[in-house]
Amino acid sequence: KQEVTQIPAALSVPEGENLVLNCSFTDSAIYNLQWFRQDPGKGLTSLLLIQSSQREQTSGRLNASLDKSSGRSTLYIAASQPGDSATYLCAGVTGNQFYFGTGTSLTVIP
Amino acid sequence: DADVTQTPRNRITKTGKRIMLECSQTKGHDRMYWYRQDPGLGLRLIYYSFDVKDINKGEISDGYSVSRQAQAKFSLSLESAIPNQTALYFCATSQSNQPQHFGDGTRLSIL
Repeated sequence: KQEVTQIPAALSVPEGENLVLNCSFTDSAIYNLQWFRQDPGKGLTSLLLIQSSQREQTSGRLNASLDKSSGRSTLYIAASQPGDSATYLCAGVTGNQFYFGTGTSLTVIP
Repeated sequence: DADVTQTPRNRITKTGKRIMLECSQTKGHDRMYWYRQDPGLGLRLIYYSFDVKDINKGEISDGYSVSRQAQAKFSLSLESAIPNQTALYFCATSQSNQPQHFGDGTRLSIL
């Protein structure tokens, strides 16, 4: 069974800082890796999806990388803003199933 | 995501009751999923469907059943609710292996 871990569970940074969120997984037979954002009382919003054949994906200030051999993915957020405050979750697809990490709660302080 | 609608948004009920959670989508996606989210445990997959006649168990299907009545509708049932099924439930859709789109969730409390 795929185990997905996100460390740290919570992170606070001042506005404008660049930051990296980490995601690790145990089964390298991963089909793709997806990063989501969850705001309080809301569902998940997809940010980036990396196919197993890709190394990274970029969208605006966000860059996600995938290293299957080491079982790691990172989400890089450049020039953080208070509006980036949310919980960020990663999910790995193995077989036909999604396995989610427990998330990193990010607070960007103005 | 307004294209994925879950009803009800909140439900409080008693142990032993039968409960149905509904999900409908206007995105035209072929795949639909049901998850539950618990503090400290993250999201766990209950059931998923790749087409109207396709139903598959996820990681934690015991105590739940589903019905894919049409491409746009996917219902989750708790035949006899128990307190440890208290959780936040999410429906999601995707087109093949493209990113998933989530509804806003149903908060279910079982007393």
